[in-house]
Amino acid sequence: DAKTTQPTSMDCAEGRAANLPCNHSTISGNEYVYWYRQIHSQGPQYIIHGLKNNETNEMASLIITEDRKSSTLILPHATLRDTAVYYCIVRVYNQGGKLIFGQGTELSVKP
Amino acid sequence: DGGITQSPKYLFRKEGQNVTLSCEQNLNHDAMYWYRQDPGQGLRLIYYSQIVNDFQKGDIAEGYSVSREKKESFPLTVTSAQKNPTAFYLCASSGGQGPIYEQYFGPGTRLTVT
Repeated sequence: DAKTTQPTSMDCAEGRAANLPCNHSTISGNEYVYWYRQIHSQGPQYIIHGLKNNETNEMASLIITEDRKSSTLILPHATLRDTAVYYCIVRVYNQGGKLIFGQGTELSVKP
Repeated sequence: DGGITQSPKYLFRKEGQNVTLSCEQNLNHDAMYWYRQDPGQGLRLIYYSQIVNDFQKGDIAEGYSVSREKKESFPLTVTSAQKNPTAFYLCASSGGQGPIYEQYFGPGTRLTVT
């Protein structure tokens, strides 16, 4: 199964863009990159996903490199409520399309 | 409101007892999943079901059992055979099979076995 590598923690100033990197160098051609976040003791919240094109929605933007070996999640204007653990996940086709979670990045947004 | 509900939020049991965790969804999703999360770690897949009356083992199915008699319900039983049952359990559902469909999670049940 493809795996992801993320920094353990990051800080971001409130109102600034938060750029969260992720490496997934062994990703297969038909596997999607997903991002979720989890606030302590809650269920993970879906943010965005993509295959090879850049994606944007109301929460964030996802930039995937051309070789698909890495990606960046961008929160354009971080708020204190964005403080959470962010998971970069490779979604596979087998096992019902399971999500393979790594350790995640703990993002702290500071005033 | 559409969503996934899990109950209860906190559950305490004595060692040797079986316990069933509830998961209900009103999203009309075909696929449902159970994950387990241990402190400081990501989620691991226990069981999944892609359609009613069918389910498959995930990566850590030993000591667990499930049923899928109704589309909206996917209860998980933690049996006494599970060696380390204390964990945060999360249920998810998805509108279809395969990675193009997002998985949405419930709020979780924190199980403590002493």
